[in-house]
Amino acid sequence: GAGVSQTPSNKVTEKGKYVELRCDPISGHTALYWYRQSLGQGPEFLIYFQGTGAADDSGLPNDRFFAVRPEGSVSTLKIQRTERGDSAMYLCASSLSPGGYNEQFFGPGTRLTVL
Amino acid sequence: GDSVTQMEGPVTLSEEAFLTINCTYTATGYPSLFWYVQYPGEGLQLLLKATKADDKGSNKGFEATYRKETTSFHLEKGSVQVSDSAVYFCALSEFSGSEKLVFGKGMKLTVNP
Repeated sequence: GAGVSQTPSNKVTEKGKYVELRCDPISGHTALYWYRQSLGQGPEFLIYFQGTGAADDSGLPNDRFFAVRPEGSVSTLKIQRTERGDSAMYLCASSLSPGGYNEQFFGPGTRLTVL
Repeated sequence: GDSVTQMEGPVTLSEEAFLTINCTYTATGYPSLFWYVQYPGEGLQLLLKATKADDKGSNKGFEATYRKETTSFHLEKGSVQVSDSAVYFCALSEFSGSEKLVFGKGMKLTVNP
């Protein structure tokens, strides 16, 4: 497809379970970002990949959160031992390369609900 | 750290009304500034941007000017349409290696016919 895609669109899980959220960036985009958006708030940065490596993971809230991008394209955000406070919309964005001149294109998001 | 403060809504306007959404920022360096929009049922999309002082970004009748002296990037439109109903986010990114976006809380706009 032409845009950023994310799967699943919705994920409901129970407290304590493990979840994986997937992001397919636009082909050729080397920069990939994960953000988290709580209800009524703006998106908050989680992690940034340049190619395969996590170049900035300063936004990850704790060590239950982890993300990978093994081949420099698809990325997976992994959350262990989910908590109710993890419920939010998780957004992925990609750009041709990092830089304020390069637009970040956002996916539709995965809405995570932890019961 | 960097932050963005914007008008909070929700705001309801009649069609053809004038719109201003205030946005101010705090940054350690010299950021790029953005307005993103989220239409109902759709993902975030870039509306306009400005990368240096006094630059004016414009798109779809919306405008915003990068004011370094007042650290502001207010969004304006002279005549809103029903189709402008959406949530508007002001954001910045600094040259930091990642250029991650820092967003304001967003403002929901509803335009009635």
